[in-house]
Amino acid sequence: AQKITQTQPGMFVQEKEAVTLDCTYDTSDPSYGLFWYKQPSSGEMIFLIYQGSYDQQNATEGRYSLNFQKARKSANLVISASQLGDSAMYFCAMRETFGNEKLTFGTGTRLTIIP
Amino acid sequence: EAQVTQNPRYLITVTGKKLTVTCSQNMNHEYMSWYRQDPGLGLRQIYYSMNVEVTDKGDVPEGYKVSRKEKRNFPLILESPSPNQTSLYFCASSLSPGYPNTQYFGPGTRLTVL
Repeated sequence: AQKITQTQPGMFVQEKEAVTLDCTYDTSDPSYGLFWYKQPSSGEMIFLIYQGSYDQQNATEGRYSLNFQKARKSANLVISASQLGDSAMYFCAMRETFGNEKLTFGTGTRLTIIP
Repeated sequence: EAQVTQNPRYLITVTGKKLTVTCSQNMNHEYMSWYRQDPGLGLRQIYYSMNVEVTDKGDVPEGYKVSRKEKRNFPLILESPSPNQTSLYFCASSLSPGYPNTQYFGPGTRLTVL
């Protein structure tokens, strides 16, 4: 069975600093997708970034990058130059490639940016 | 604007009173899914649909029903709600199975069952 582990329940980071949110995963599927979502206090789930298991390069989307280390089964989210608006819950998720497209989520990390 | 909509956004009800949470997407997506979010548990899948008239159970289907009569709509039905179904519910959709197939989420429905 697939599993996502986020070991940091909460993090406090100074504004403008970079932050790394940890995510490790476990799967026996050779083909899978990894996602990060942001959930602000308003509650919606906002897609941030995607990494496919066969992608050769780490994904980047603006200030977000995904540090994908396949052998270690880790998919850490890096946010550069953090802003106050980055304060939110962050969820790592994994998707099976075949069959049900279900996303398996971790328990999340609450990030607080300090002015 | 491409979006997934859910209604209602907030609902307080009593045990046993049937309710329906609607979900609609305007992106012609084939795949739709329902999740519930509970503190400390992340999001868990309730039901999913690969296309019209094709639905199947997710990880926590007990107490829920769904239907997919049209491509754009995927309602979640609670025939006899109970307090343990108090949760934040999300509908999600994606274009079709395959790579990269990002799932887009609705705004969420916060349900309280007394």
